[in-house]
Amino acid sequence: NAGVIQTPRHKVTGKGQEATLWCEPISGHSAVFWYRQTIVQGLEFLTYFRNQAPIDDSGMPKERFSAQMPNQSHSTLKIQSTQPQDSAVYLCASSLDTPKDTQYFGPGTRLLVL
Amino acid sequence: AQSVTQPDARVTVSEGASLQLRCKYSYFGTPYLFWYVQYPRQGLQLLLKYYPGDPVVQGVNGFEAEFSKSNSSFHLRKASVHWSDWAVYFCAVSPNQGKLIFGQGTKLSIKP
Repeated sequence: NAGVIQTPRHKVTGKGQEATLWCEPISGHSAVFWYRQTIVQGLEFLTYFRNQAPIDDSGMPKERFSAQMPNQSHSTLKIQSTQPQDSAVYLCASSLDTPKDTQYFGPGTRLLVL
Repeated sequence: AQSVTQPDARVTVSEGASLQLRCKYSYFGTPYLFWYVQYPRQGLQLLLKYYPGDPVVQGVNGFEAEFSKSNSSFHLRKASVHWSDWAVYFCAVSPNQGKLIFGQGTKLSIKP
């Protein structure tokens, strides 16, 4: 079991460019979560999917951020027109199915916007 | 609104000493509560989780936590810390049994 896989591990973009972050959940897990970690704001929930359907995107910024889960083996978080304040570690987690199941976190993607 | 407060940003204890990391939550009803640990340059790992039931929950590596509804608390304890416990510890609540709401974290340092 490779755990949750996130690629790339590090990404540097210029202001205004697009960034796409990838997450591969643990095989057999039907729920995928995205969080963002910064020094100032700490760990913030962004969005989550269950069985590929969006369930809760209450933490997603209204502009420039979008997430998809086109199949059960991967999810993407896309940030358009990146800004320096988007710099953060973006964490993906997956869980088996029910809300009681443990969320297993990936190592994160460290995004730096210059 | 649901929230989690970890009042101590940093805690330093001597190796072999006992440990308590504090966590207070705000939630209407009985929540699901979690403690996660983040070791240097690693991802978050679950230490333990609480679902309504026995208020004392046992976790990995000798950690335990006690839920108190009257105090709205979920403090983490360990009888004897080891240098390998040096990490950041996060308390979290799951308000709708889906997403996690995290506290700001407590950075634990160990004195030799």
